[in-house]
Amino acid sequence: DAKTTQPTSMDCAEGRAANLPCNHSTISGNEYVYWYRQIHSQGPQYIIHGLKNNETNEMASLIITEDRKSSTLILPHATLRDTAVYYCIVRVAFTGNQFYFGTGTSLTVIP
Amino acid sequence: DAGVIQSPRHEVTEMGQEVTLRCKPISGHDYLFWYRQTMMRGLELLIYFNNNVPIDDSGMPEDRFSAKMPNASFSTLKIQPSEPRDSAVYFCASRRDRARETQYFGPGTRLLVL
Repeated sequence: DAKTTQPTSMDCAEGRAANLPCNHSTISGNEYVYWYRQIHSQGPQYIIHGLKNNETNEMASLIITEDRKSSTLILPHATLRDTAVYYCIVRVAFTGNQFYFGTGTSLTVIP
Repeated sequence: DAGVIQSPRHEVTEMGQEVTLRCKPISGHDYLFWYRQTMMRGLELLIYFNNNVPIDDSGMPEDRFSAKMPNASFSTLKIQPSEPRDSAVYFCASRRDRARETQYFGPGTRLLVL
Protein backbone atom coordinates (compact mmCIF):
# COMPACT_ATOMS: atom_id res chain seq x y z
CA ASP A 1 0.00 0.00 0.00
CA ALA A 2 1.21 3.50 -0.88
CA LYS A 3 2.56 5.71 1.87
CA THR A 4 0.71 8.89 2.76
CA THR A 5 1.93 12.17 4.21
CA GLN A 6 -0.33 14.44 6.22
CA PRO A 7 0.30 17.54 8.33
CA THR A 8 0.50 16.73 12.01
CA SER A 9 -2.07 19.30 13.06
CA MET A 10 -4.40 22.00 11.76
CA ASP A 11 -6.83 24.54 13.14
CA CYS A 12 -10.07 25.70 11.57
CA ALA A 13 -12.60 28.32 12.65
CA GLU A 14 -16.06 27.03 13.40
CA GLY A 15 -18.39 27.43 10.43
CA ARG A 16 -15.57 27.67 7.93
CA ALA A 17 -14.46 24.97 5.54
CA ALA A 18 -11.75 22.65 6.78
CA ASN A 19 -9.38 21.49 4.04
CA LEU A 20 -7.20 18.57 5.02
CA PRO A 21 -4.43 17.67 2.57
CA CYS A 22 -2.84 14.31 1.93
CA ASN A 23 0.12 13.47 -0.29
CA HIS A 24 0.36 10.01 -1.81
CA SER A 25 2.88 10.44 -4.61
CA THR A 26 3.55 6.70 -4.97
CA ILE A 27 -0.08 5.72 -5.40
CA SER A 28 -0.69 3.07 -8.02
CA GLY A 29 -3.52 2.83 -10.49
CA ASN A 30 -5.63 0.37 -8.53
CA GLU A 31 -5.30 2.06 -5.14
CA TYR A 32 -8.14 4.00 -3.59
CA VAL A 33 -7.93 6.94 -1.19
CA TYR A 34 -9.85 6.48 2.05
CA TRP A 35 -10.50 8.90 4.88
CA TYR A 36 -11.38 7.98 8.44
CA ARG A 37 -11.51 10.11 11.53
CA GLN A 38 -11.21 9.41 15.22
CA ILE A 39 -12.89 11.60 17.74
CA HIS A 40 -11.28 11.52 21.14
CA SER A 41 -11.99 8.32 23.09
CA GLN A 42 -13.98 6.78 20.25
CA GLY A 43 -13.23 4.25 17.53
CA PRO A 44 -12.31 5.44 14.03
CA GLN A 45 -15.20 6.39 11.78
CA TYR A 46 -15.37 6.05 7.99
CA ILE A 47 -15.81 9.33 6.13
CA ILE A 48 -15.40 8.86 2.40
CA HIS A 49 -13.30 7.16 -0.28
CA GLY A 50 -12.55 7.56 -3.97
CA LEU A 51 -10.42 6.36 -6.87
CA LYS A 52 -9.93 9.30 -9.22
CA ASN A 53 -13.18 11.24 -9.43
CA ASN A 54 -14.18 13.74 -6.80
CA GLU A 55 -16.64 12.35 -4.31
CA THR A 56 -19.17 13.93 -1.99
CA ASN A 57 -21.40 12.54 0.73
CA GLU A 58 -23.29 13.92 3.69
CA MET A 59 -20.12 14.25 5.73
CA ALA A 60 -17.49 15.60 3.38
CA SER A 61 -16.07 16.04 -0.10
CA LEU A 62 -12.96 14.37 -1.45
CA ILE A 63 -10.94 16.12 -4.15
CA ILE A 64 -8.31 14.00 -5.88
CA THR A 65 -5.81 15.68 -8.20
CA GLU A 66 -5.69 14.61 -11.80
CA ASP A 67 -2.35 12.83 -11.34
CA ARG A 68 -3.77 11.24 -8.14
CA LYS A 69 -0.64 12.10 -6.21
CA SER A 70 -2.52 14.13 -3.64
CA SER A 71 -6.00 14.66 -2.30
CA THR A 72 -7.94 17.00 -0.04
CA LEU A 73 -10.73 16.20 2.36
CA ILE A 74 -13.14 19.09 2.73
CA LEU A 75 -15.51 19.54 5.64
CA PRO A 76 -17.68 22.35 4.25
CA HIS A 77 -18.86 23.89 7.50
CA ALA A 78 -16.73 22.69 10.37
CA THR A 79 -18.32 22.34 13.79
CA LEU A 80 -16.76 21.76 17.18
CA ARG A 81 -17.78 18.12 16.89
CA ASP A 82 -15.47 17.76 13.90
CA THR A 83 -12.44 18.11 16.16
CA ALA A 84 -10.69 14.80 15.65
CA VAL A 85 -7.69 13.03 14.14
CA TYR A 86 -8.19 12.51 10.40
CA TYR A 87 -6.48 9.59 8.69
CA CYS A 88 -5.75 9.41 4.97
CA ILE A 89 -5.23 5.82 3.82
CA VAL A 90 -4.29 4.54 0.39
CA ARG A 91 -4.82 0.90 -0.45
CA VAL A 92 -5.93 -1.52 -3.10
CA ALA A 93 -9.66 -2.03 -2.87
CA PHE A 94 -11.52 -5.28 -2.52
CA THR A 95 -8.52 -7.22 -1.31
CA GLY A 96 -9.77 -7.95 2.16
CA ASN A 97 -6.56 -6.58 3.56
CA GLN A 98 -6.00 -4.27 6.46
CA PHE A 99 -5.88 -0.50 6.63
CA TYR A 100 -2.65 1.17 7.74
CA PHE A 101 -3.81 4.18 9.69
CA GLY A 102 -0.60 6.18 10.09
CA THR A 103 -0.46 9.19 12.39
CA GLY A 104 -3.10 11.37 10.74
CA THR A 105 -3.87 15.08 11.09
CA SER A 106 -5.19 16.40 14.37
CA LEU A 107 -7.87 18.95 13.44
CA THR A 108 -9.00 21.43 16.06
CA VAL A 109 -12.12 23.45 15.31
CA ILE A 110 -11.96 26.74 17.16
CA PRO A 111 -15.10 28.54 18.34
CA ASP B 1 -28.32 -2.35 14.53
CA ALA B 2 -26.40 -1.63 17.72
CA GLY B 3 -23.07 -1.45 15.95
CA VAL B 4 -19.95 -3.27 17.06
CA ILE B 5 -20.16 -4.10 20.74
CA GLN B 6 -17.10 -4.50 22.93
CA SER B 7 -16.76 -5.50 26.55
CA PRO B 8 -15.56 -4.56 29.00
CA ARG B 9 -15.18 -0.86 28.22
CA HIS B 10 -12.50 -0.49 30.87
CA GLU B 11 -10.24 -3.07 32.46
CA VAL B 12 -7.65 -2.60 35.17
CA THR B 13 -5.61 -5.63 36.10
CA GLU B 14 -2.33 -6.58 37.64
CA MET B 15 0.69 -7.82 35.78
CA GLY B 16 0.57 -11.56 35.24
CA GLN B 17 -3.19 -11.82 35.18
CA GLU B 18 -5.17 -13.13 32.24
CA VAL B 19 -7.24 -10.58 30.33
CA THR B 20 -10.06 -11.42 27.95
CA LEU B 21 -11.57 -8.82 25.67
CA ARG B 22 -14.82 -9.50 23.86
CA CYS B 23 -16.35 -8.32 20.64
CA LYS B 24 -19.68 -8.76 18.92
CA PRO B 25 -19.52 -7.66 15.29
CA ILE B 26 -22.38 -6.19 13.32
CA SER B 27 -24.73 -8.95 12.25
CA GLY B 28 -24.06 -10.15 8.71
CA HIS B 29 -20.52 -8.86 8.55
CA ASP B 30 -17.96 -11.34 7.23
CA TYR B 31 -14.79 -9.66 8.50
CA LEU B 32 -13.65 -8.93 12.01
CA PHE B 33 -10.54 -6.97 12.96
CA TRP B 34 -8.71 -6.46 16.25
CA TYR B 35 -6.62 -3.27 16.61
CA ARG B 36 -4.50 -1.86 19.40
CA GLN B 37 -3.89 1.86 19.89
CA THR B 38 -1.15 3.49 21.94
CA MET B 39 0.34 6.96 21.93
CA MET B 40 3.71 5.62 20.84
CA ARG B 41 2.63 3.30 18.03
CA GLY B 42 -0.74 4.64 16.94
CA LEU B 43 -3.39 2.29 15.64
CA GLU B 44 -2.04 -1.18 14.79
CA LEU B 45 -3.84 -4.15 13.33
CA LEU B 46 -3.33 -7.26 15.45
CA ILE B 47 -5.35 -9.88 13.59
CA TYR B 48 -8.33 -10.21 11.30
CA PHE B 49 -10.85 -12.93 10.55
CA ASN B 50 -12.89 -13.70 7.46
CA ASN B 51 -15.90 -15.93 7.99
CA ASN B 52 -14.58 -16.84 11.45
CA VAL B 53 -11.20 -17.98 10.08
CA PRO B 54 -8.03 -16.09 11.08
CA ILE B 55 -6.46 -14.71 7.92
CA ASP B 56 -3.57 -12.58 9.08
CA ASP B 57 -2.19 -12.61 12.60
CA SER B 58 1.17 -11.08 11.76
CA GLY B 59 0.39 -8.10 13.97
CA MET B 60 -0.05 -10.16 17.12
CA PRO B 61 2.85 -9.07 19.34
CA GLU B 62 3.81 -12.42 20.81
CA ASP B 63 2.58 -15.74 22.08
CA ARG B 64 0.95 -14.11 25.06
CA PHE B 65 -1.74 -12.84 22.72
CA SER B 66 -4.37 -15.10 21.21
CA ALA B 67 -7.63 -14.46 19.39
CA LYS B 68 -10.56 -16.68 18.59
CA MET B 69 -13.78 -16.40 16.70
CA PRO B 70 -15.92 -19.42 17.55
CA ASN B 71 -18.90 -18.14 15.59
CA ALA B 72 -19.99 -15.25 13.41
CA SER B 73 -21.26 -13.18 16.31
CA PHE B 74 -18.46 -13.39 18.83
CA SER B 75 -14.71 -12.98 19.10
CA THR B 76 -12.25 -12.83 21.97
CA LEU B 77 -8.76 -11.42 22.35
CA LYS B 78 -6.87 -12.93 25.25
CA ILE B 79 -3.64 -11.81 26.87
CA GLN B 80 -1.99 -14.29 29.19
CA PRO B 81 0.01 -13.30 31.15
CA SER B 82 -0.57 -9.56 30.86
CA GLU B 83 2.25 -7.05 31.18
CA PRO B 84 2.26 -3.27 31.77
CA ARG B 85 3.33 -2.65 28.17
CA ASP B 86 0.05 -4.19 27.03
CA SER B 87 -1.77 -1.16 28.39
CA ALA B 88 -3.62 0.35 25.43
CA VAL B 89 -7.03 0.83 23.88
CA TYR B 90 -8.11 -2.27 21.99
CA PHE B 91 -10.60 -1.80 19.17
CA CYS B 92 -12.68 -4.35 17.36
CA ALA B 93 -14.05 -3.56 13.90
CA SER B 94 -16.20 -5.40 11.41
CA ARG B 95 -16.78 -5.14 7.69
CA ARG B 96 -19.61 -6.53 5.64
CA ASP B 97 -17.77 -8.31 2.87
CA ARG B 98 -14.93 -8.15 0.39
CA ALA B 99 -16.76 -5.74 -1.88
CA ARG B 100 -17.76 -3.25 0.78
CA GLU B 101 -14.72 -1.60 2.26
CA THR B 102 -16.03 0.34 5.21
CA GLN B 103 -14.89 -0.88 8.60
CA TYR B 104 -17.14 -0.12 11.55
CA PHE B 105 -15.34 0.25 14.81
CA GLY B 106 -16.51 -0.49 18.31
CA PRO B 107 -16.02 1.90 21.21
CA GLY B 108 -12.87 0.16 22.38
CA THR B 109 -11.66 -1.43 25.60
CA ARG B 110 -9.26 0.63 27.68
CA LEU B 111 -6.83 -1.75 29.33
CA LEU B 112 -4.49 -0.77 32.11
CA VAL B 113 -2.05 -3.35 33.40
CA LEU B 114 -0.42 -2.36 36.66
